[in-house]
Amino acid sequence: EAQVTQNPRYLITVTGKKLTVTCSQNMNHEYMSWYRQDPGLGLRQIYYSMNVEVTDKGDVPEGYKVSRKEKRNFPLILESPSPNQTSLYFCASSPTGGADGSTEAFFGQGTRLTVV
Amino acid sequence: AQTVTQSQPEMSVQEAETVTLSCTYDTSESDYYLFWYKQPPSRQMILVIRQEAYKQQNATENRFSVNFQKAAKSFSLKISDSQLGDAAMYFCAYRTPLRANSKLTFGKGITLSVRP
Repeated sequence: EAQVTQNPRYLITVTGKKLTVTCSQNMNHEYMSWYRQDPGLGLRQIYYSMNVEVTDKGDVPEGYKVSRKEKRNFPLILESPSPNQTSLYFCASSPTGGADGSTEAFFGQGTRLTVV
Repeated sequence: AQTVTQSQPEMSVQEAETVTLSCTYDTSESDYYLFWYKQPPSRQMILVIRQEAYKQQNATENRFSVNFQKAAKSFSLKISDSQLGDAAMYFCAYRTPLRANSKLTFGKGITLSVRP
């Protein structure tokens, strides 16, 4: 089954404790990105990756890191989480690097992160 | 920068009735794509319908249709014969092709409730 898998789905952590949210897709997509969803703000892009070893900042990158060592995986890293990073996070992938904007973005199930 | 505006935070509809969700956007591009995503309580992001800006014909998917007014930069979603399962948050989104970062720009979302 074609899918984007995020783990964990729920996470409660303390301020300053490094954490990683994993994202994996089995559709051989080149383009992957991370979004955060906050009430009243919709979804905002954190980071994106055009392909392996190619990543760049989105609209709200502060406090986050990503890596793309393999095509299928795109983990989101919070080196020192703070309470303002409490949010719902989504990973998404698309089969092209934007050449065809009509291509549907496939979303993971979401990760609810709480930083206390 | 592109922006997407959903001005109504909440709407309610009687089961079997029709409801229209509004969305406007701002862009200087002539070629782009528009989407409506549904987010039920499970948090999964589900693509409802897409519209290519170069197409004059409004997209339809079963009970879902759009009213795309390119000059007015308006992209409303009409849900006919509303069902209880349509209750969810709905996001309007915009995407450009042929860009280094073909991100989705989302509106803030609208919560739709369906009255039995």
